[in-house]
Amino acid sequence: DTAVSQTPKYLVTQMGNDKSIKCEQNLGHDTMYWYKQDSKKFLKIMFSYNNKELIINETVPNRFSPKSPDKAHLNLHINSLELGDSAVYFCASSQGRGQLSYGYTFGSGTRLTVV
Amino acid sequence: GQNIDQPTEMTATEGAIVQINCTYQTSGFNGLFWYQQHAGEAPTFLSYNVLDGLEEKGRFSSFLSRSKGYSYLLLKELQMKDSASYLCAVRADSSASKIIFGSGTRLSIRP
Repeated sequence: DTAVSQTPKYLVTQMGNDKSIKCEQNLGHDTMYWYKQDSKKFLKIMFSYNNKELIINETVPNRFSPKSPDKAHLNLHINSLELGDSAVYFCASSQGRGQLSYGYTFGSGTRLTVV
Repeated sequence: GQNIDQPTEMTATEGAIVQINCTYQTSGFNGLFWYQQHAGEAPTFLSYNVLDGLEEKGRFSSFLSRSKGYSYLLLKELQMKDSASYLCAVRADSSASKIIFGSGTRLSIRP
């Protein structure tokens, strides 16, 4: 049973296209995140939702739009893809906003390549 | 600003001990995490420190000094499977759940 699952695992697409990445967690956590890991392996937070409410929105181009239909799902839609969007995108979840002694549980990542 | 520094790469020998250091400068502090990430895989949680001192968990230990903005991860009895990147991460804000990651230390274990 996968705790945090992302689809697709790999995504190759052309510049200018619009694509979505889906994430689901079955841990009963109430907070979910999207992180971007670039070629230098630097993990940077993009968005976070708590019980479907947006609580973290870092400086990310507005071509990126998260959507949380319920607390178990957090999807990421990207419009007008650019070469610089190529990276691995990780979804993660945690229980609560203040109690994080066990950190996040990460999904296996989506490797996005824009050509 | 937020800054987390750790060495880019380290090499150690199977069976030995290695210490990976992390220094941080953040606007606030509410806990420090260490994660392990094998190539092509997701980061997995290793340890959490919020008070000064050493936390031991099997072959892995993590130390924190809040006054010095310093932590280390100690790996004992190294095994080949310990070859991975080790990410230091800090939660800077107690009211939100954002964790800021360092760029990671790639550890290579040689026989």
